[in-house]
This record gives sequence, structure tokens and C-alpha cells, in this order.
Amino acid sequence: KAGVTQTPRYLIKTRGQQVTLSCSPISGHRSVSWYQQTPGQGLQFLFEYFSETQRNKGNFPGRFSGRQFSNSRSEMNVSTLELGDSALYLCASSTDPFYGYTFGSGTRLTVV
Amino acid sequence: GENVEQHPSTLSVQEGDSAVIKCTYSDSASNYFPWYKQELGKRPQLIIDIRSNVGEKKDQRIAVTLNKTAKHFSLHITETQPEDSAVYFCAALNNEKLTFGTGTRLTIIP
Repeated sequence: KAGVTQTPRYLIKTRGQQVTLSCSPISGHRSVSWYQQTPGQGLQFLFEYFSETQRNKGNFPGRFSGRQFSNSRSEMNVSTLELGDSALYLCASSTDPFYGYTFGSGTRLTVV
Repeated sequence: GENVEQHPSTLSVQEGDSAVIKCTYSDSASNYFPWYKQELGKRPQLIIDIRSNVGEKKDQRIAVTLNKTAKHFSLHITETQPEDSAVYFCAALNNEKLTFGTGTRLTIIP
């Protein structure tokens, strides 16, 4: 079966712009989580969605937001981009977090 | 919130030797502890996990142990091979939030 699909794979944006990243989970997976990965900070939790509801949120500013649709696909939005937002953004899906996540290949965002 | 500490940050072992990576967590309510392997330029992949009602789990050359009292868990890789070279992350789950350790770069020396 198809894995977790993230689009786009690469993105270059200018400071102050906004960006939307997309994640299509494995069929049947209703839990989707987002992570920011940087060399210095490792994998930082952004938020988790289950059946269109945000169940938990990490310690990121309000510029970071997300949503999940009825088909479990999820989007993440970052507004007013800053240079420090440059990172690999990973999406992961599961039937439930307690049963392990499968990660997508990520979207590499570069802010210039 | 949960805090996960992981040690060491880098580890080099001779091929065929064993490697051990240790993690500690802060919140006793955490109940699921997965380990992920991330090769260069690739996505993290789940290699083994353990739940809070189990003390040890083994899968071929990989094993994980959990000490709930001390709030620490460890990854053990035996008979290491070159393809084991990667960054390994531990994590702890609490209220649908998976908190990761900072990673261990494991290098297998041929």
C-alpha cells in the first residue's frame, strides 16, 4: 500500500511570505502528526490531528497552524515566514499514536 | 511537558560489536516508547517499540529494555553491521504527543 505522501518535496520562500504543506496519510490512518526537524533541535512536535480534531499542540508560535480534512489528509500552514523556519517538515500517520508512526519523506523548506 | 534525554550523541563501534543507546524520560504517564532509525537523507523509520506494561522486547539483533521506576529505556544492537550506521532517535508518547530525544549518530567501523 502507498506510504505517507508529502508535497511539495522542496520549497523556497522569502521572509514574510506564507506557505502551505500537504500530507496524505496511509489509507485507513486517522492520526496525523507534524514535526519540524533541524540539525540543532532534532525532531520537534508541532501538532497531532485525529478525525479532523487537533488533540495536541507543541510549543510553536501561532504562525504555525494545521488542519485535517474528512479524508484524513492534513495541511500545515506557516505565515509570516522567518529565516529560522527553514527546516525539514515531517508528517507521520498512524491508526493511533500508540501503535507507531510511519513518516513521510518530508518537505524541505528554505526561507531566504 | 515530557522531556526526553538521549545519550550518547555520537557512538562509534567496530563491526560485529554491540551498541547501546540510552534514553530517560520525565513524565511517568508516558506509556509507549518507540525507536526510529534515520539514514542520511531519508525518513525516520520505526525499528522497534515497547509499551509500558513490558520490560523487554527483542527483534533479531535489536532489543529494547524499559525501566519504568527509573524512567529510562535503552536500545541494544548486537553483531553490528555497516548498514546499522544511521541516526537513532528514541521517543516517549504522552497524550498523543510523541516527544523525541536529540538523536544518536551511530557509526559502524568496518
